[in-house]
Amino acid sequence: ETGVTQSPTHLIKTRGQQVTLRCSSQSGHNTVSWYQQALGQGPQFIFQYYREEENGRGNFPPRFSGLQFPNYSSELNVNALELDDSALYLCASSSGTGPQETQYFGPGTRLLVL
Amino acid sequence: GIQVEQSPPDLILQEGANSTLRCNFSDSVNNLQWFHQNPWGQLINLFYIPSGTKQNGRLSATTVATERYSLLYISSSQTTDSGVYFCAVDILTGGGNKLTFGTGTQLKVEL
Repeated sequence: ETGVTQSPTHLIKTRGQQVTLRCSSQSGHNTVSWYQQALGQGPQFIFQYYREEENGRGNFPPRFSGLQFPNYSSELNVNALELDDSALYLCASSSGTGPQETQYFGPGTRLLVL
Repeated sequence: GIQVEQSPPDLILQEGANSTLRCNFSDSVNNLQWFHQNPWGQLINLFYIPSGTKQNGRLSATTVATERYSLLYISSSQTTDSGVYFCAVDILTGGGNKLTFGTGTQLKVEL
């Protein structure tokens, strides 16, 4: 185990709905990154939060949003769900944003959009 | 953006065999990591190796940054090594540990 937890583990939604995914970072970590992993592909970077501020964003539309709380846990919100949003959503925590900082991944949330 | 290609895409080994996985990347990087994703989806960091060679038990990795490739060696493979191996990179400027993953190598180790 990495000490990073995510909830829920599985989720089924219908197209057009909204969803919130949660991530609790490892103790002492101030950085959380979110990734989307479609079936059979590598994870894709969505965005990163560092000390409660967004610190970079990948090629995802604005309906993907997030926040980080003072305890450094984080939420990923997706509005107006589309079928292609079906994926494994992974969060990773680290103790900083430097390249040498190991990212510890949570077990993921599997989202199915019908 | 940076391109990350991995080969082979699939690999089947008998337990005890050795293997080499390759990762090619299209731009200079300040960060290269190897990950193992088990069949349940858990990603585990194996190596942070932007250059040089590292070893950890039966696994070792080498990155030749000037030629933009990295190799992951698995020796005496075990069934627990099965899963998908990803390399991931971060660009040299403005990175901040925001990783671009390759498409992975699916490894199956059989008895």
